[in-house]
Amino acid sequence: DVKVTQSSRYLVKRTGEKVFLECVQDMDHENMFWYRQDPGLGLRLIYFSYDVKMKEKGDIPEGYSVSREKKERFSLILESASTNQTSMYLCASLTGQGRPEAFFGQGTRLTVV
Amino acid sequence: AQTVTQSQPEMSVQEAETVTLSCTYDTSESDYYLFWYKQPPSRQMILVIRQEAYKQQNATENRFSVNFQKAAKSFSLKISDSQLGDAAMYFCAYCMEYGNKLVFGAGTILRVKS
Repeated sequence: DVKVTQSSRYLVKRTGEKVFLECVQDMDHENMFWYRQDPGLGLRLIYFSYDVKMKEKGDIPEGYSVSREKKERFSLILESASTNQTSMYLCASLTGQGRPEAFFGQGTRLTVV
Repeated sequence: AQTVTQSQPEMSVQEAETVTLSCTYDTSESDYYLFWYKQPPSRQMILVIRQEAYKQQNATENRFSVNFQKAAKSFSLKISDSQLGDAAMYFCAYCMEYGNKLVFGAGTILRVKS
């Protein structure tokens, strides 16, 4: 079974803190994604990566950065957390060509106070 | 830019009845994939069904089937014989032939009444 693991299920951070959300997948997938999920807005793509050290901005990259130093790990960084970044964050990895399928982590509920 | 639109924020269906969830998308690509994902209260995303754009035949998975209209850029999900366990948020999603960007719609909450 493919496993995508996010480092925390719930997180509470203070405004201005630097926050790291970690995601690890165990299936050697090249493509990995970070989304935030808010009621009524669905899953909005923050950043994605199609290879080690390669990254591309998604639809809402402002206030976030990412790191992919190893193929299995994709980190989302909030440089200076703000209250409007309170949200559910979902990580996903995508199988390659042929019959693609995305596998998701369990989500991290981040609250910035 | 690719976009996915789900115009129904919420739908209800009686147990054992049939319901259809709508999805439209916008792309200039000719080869791509479309998906329906289910997110139950546990938050774990589950693949329901996948459609390859180059296939004219509509995908089916047991009680789940799609109506894929490529020219109209429409991709609806039909759930037959609805069950209480089908109650969840359903997301329509798109990705290009070679993966990379995976884009989701806003989701539709499906409620199943007993």
